[in-house]
Amino acid sequence: DVVMTQSPLSLPVTLGQPASISCRSSQSLVYSDGNTYLNWFQQRPGQSPRRLIYKVSNRDSGVPDRFSGSGSGTDFTLKISRVEAEDVGVYYCMQGTHWPPFTFGPGTKVDIK
Amino acid sequence: QVQLVESGGGVVQPGGSLRLSCAASGFTFSSYGMHWVRQAPGKGLEWVAFIRYDGSNKYYADSVKGRFTISRDNSKNTLYLQMNSLRAEDTAVYYCAKDPTMIVPDFDYWGQGTLVTVSS
Repeated sequence: DVVMTQSPLSLPVTLGQPASISCRSSQSLVYSDGNTYLNWFQQRPGQSPRRLIYKVSNRDSGVPDRFSGSGSGTDFTLKISRVEAEDVGVYYCMQGTHWPPFTFGPGTKVDIK
Repeated sequence: QVQLVESGGGVVQPGGSLRLSCAASGFTFSSYGMHWVRQAPGKGLEWVAFIRYDGSNKYYADSVKGRFTISRDNSKNTLYLQMNSLRAEDTAVYYCAKDPTMIVPDFDYWGQGTLVTVSS
């Protein structure tokens, strides 16, 4: 199974400042069709997960443009350009390329300093 | 709008069984694959099972294979998870999630979850 790792696991941030989360996979996530099936999910406290980014860099409908995804192969990054209070929560990366199983990273907890 | 509402969670003894349901609305249920994903208390997300739009293919995590069965009733717009031989480590919030039906299955909408507690 593909193992997903994230760093840091905890990220205290200052409102209005940028934040960055790294995600690495144990194998390349490039699929046979040329796409890379790497997603980012946000889980706010007490809520269900919500998909933010799919296929590395595509924002879901309604996701603010301060969120961006990048990367390739085995190394990926989620960036928040200016953190707002509503961004507090846990962020998970997930790979779908080598399914089944779908595997998630351990999560990065973002909170306000 | 897409709505997914899970039900059926509760407290069950080790070795017992439980059936979860996920009622779907706001989209053509019979056209989309569906997942179950779980989250143990204070832990991360674990994919559990996936079923194709027509029920023709089912896939399971190794941790539940042979004990859990995913199914669907497209006439009732409902997804199910039959859980047998439950263990303490199956204690979790169980979410259903919709697949947007891409080449590789994905997770574009999630329900609010239902809590399963396995305890004596």
